[in-house]
Amino acid sequence: GQNIDQPTEMTATEGAIVQINCTYQTSGFNGLFWYQQHAGEAPTFLSYNVLDGLEEKGRFSSFLSRSKGYSYLLLKELQMKDSASYLCAVIYTGTASKLTFGTGTRLQVTL
Amino acid sequence: GAVVSQHPSRVICKSGTSVKIECRSLDFQATTMFWYRQFPKQSLMLMATSNEGSKATYEQGVEKDKFLINHASLTLSTLTVTSAHPEDSSFYICSARNYNYEQYFGPGTRLTVT
Repeated sequence: GQNIDQPTEMTATEGAIVQINCTYQTSGFNGLFWYQQHAGEAPTFLSYNVLDGLEEKGRFSSFLSRSKGYSYLLLKELQMKDSASYLCAVIYTGTASKLTFGTGTRLQVTL
Repeated sequence: GAVVSQHPSRVICKSGTSVKIECRSLDFQATTMFWYRQFPKQSLMLMATSNEGSKATYEQGVEKDKFLINHASLTLSTLTVTSAHPEDSSFYICSARNYNYEQYFGPGTRLTVT
């Protein structure tokens, strides 16, 4: 199968840093996406990783290790509006660019 | 850039009727669009892949005669839910893929069948 695993829920404090992990099956890997989804809304694109390493975009960074089948999304200086679900999605070769989604991680930011 | 729109955003229909949902890429051409369904507190489930000018490819378990997909141009795909039933009530989301393989999602359509 192509199981993509993420923690179901996480809680963090406003102003803190939180890391959301994602593991996936490495065979046929062709790229990994992170999306943010607020309740009742469609996902919004955060990042796309194809090569190993860390990519930083403002308060959000995404890391990929292809050999380990591992990625994380790092959120710094957490704000209340960051409370949302964070979806890890992988493209596998031979799937016509279909995204395979993890179950998503619901992040709750508290005061 | 990379804006995808969906219309309508919400629709309520009676059981047995059909509903059409439009998905448009506003500022880029999308040779491929995807249709997803999402039930509360669950992740997105891919229903079908829509390629411009050809028949859609449906995922296993999705009835192609019930969920009609048309991708008539590089910026428009439509999903028609035919003979809708209450169990079809869900959040339907489309996405459009650009030439860099990045997928951008529409705002979603909440369908309620009464």
